[in-house]
Amino acid sequence: AQTVTQSQPEMSVQEAETVTLSCTYDTSESDYYLFWYKQPPSRQMILVIRQEAYKQQNATENRFSVNFQKAAKSFSLKISDSQLGDAAMYFCAYRSATGANSKLTFGKGITLSVRP
Amino acid sequence: EADIYQTPRYLVIGTGKKITLECSQTMGHDKMYWYQQDPGMELHLIHYSYGVNSTEKGDLSSESTVSRIRTEHFPLTLESARPSHTSQYLCASSEYGANVLTFGAGSRLTVL
Repeated sequence: AQTVTQSQPEMSVQEAETVTLSCTYDTSESDYYLFWYKQPPSRQMILVIRQEAYKQQNATENRFSVNFQKAAKSFSLKISDSQLGDAAMYFCAYRSATGANSKLTFGKGITLSVRP
Repeated sequence: EADIYQTPRYLVIGTGKKITLECSQTMGHDKMYWYQQDPGMELHLIHYSYGVNSTEKGDLSSESTVSRIRTEHFPLTLESARPSHTSQYLCASSEYGANVLTFGAGSRLTVL
């Protein structure tokens, strides 16, 4: 079974600075998808960024980018120019590419606070 | 606007009451899911459905039940609520074969 590990329960960053959130996963599969979801306090969880394992290029979405190291099974999220609205809980997630009905496996999440 | 809606957002009830948490989506998604999340904690999949009249139990055992009579509607029911059921319940949906989940805003249940 696949597992997703987010070992840091909390992190803090100064506004306008850069922060990196760590995620590792364990799988025996070669084809899969990885995601970062953001859950703001009392608000809807939304997708931040996703990465297909077969793509070597790291995904980027505006201020958000990932460092995908397939051999190391590492998938970290970098947030540049941090903003107060980035304060939230962030979940790393894995989904197998085998079968249309495979489910997401989430990590335990990390709470990010942004200092003004 | 296409979205996924959960009601109620907040519910405080007494032990032994029957409750139903509603979840509806307007995107025509085939797949729907219920996750349980304690405050500041990880998500646990408790139920999912891949289409009408199809429901399955998730990774975390739950005393709740679900039904899927219509594509857009996936309610969760607790026949007799207990304090151990106090949690946040998140509903989500996705297209068949798609990778991305769309989440509702959640229903925070407190059982006294």
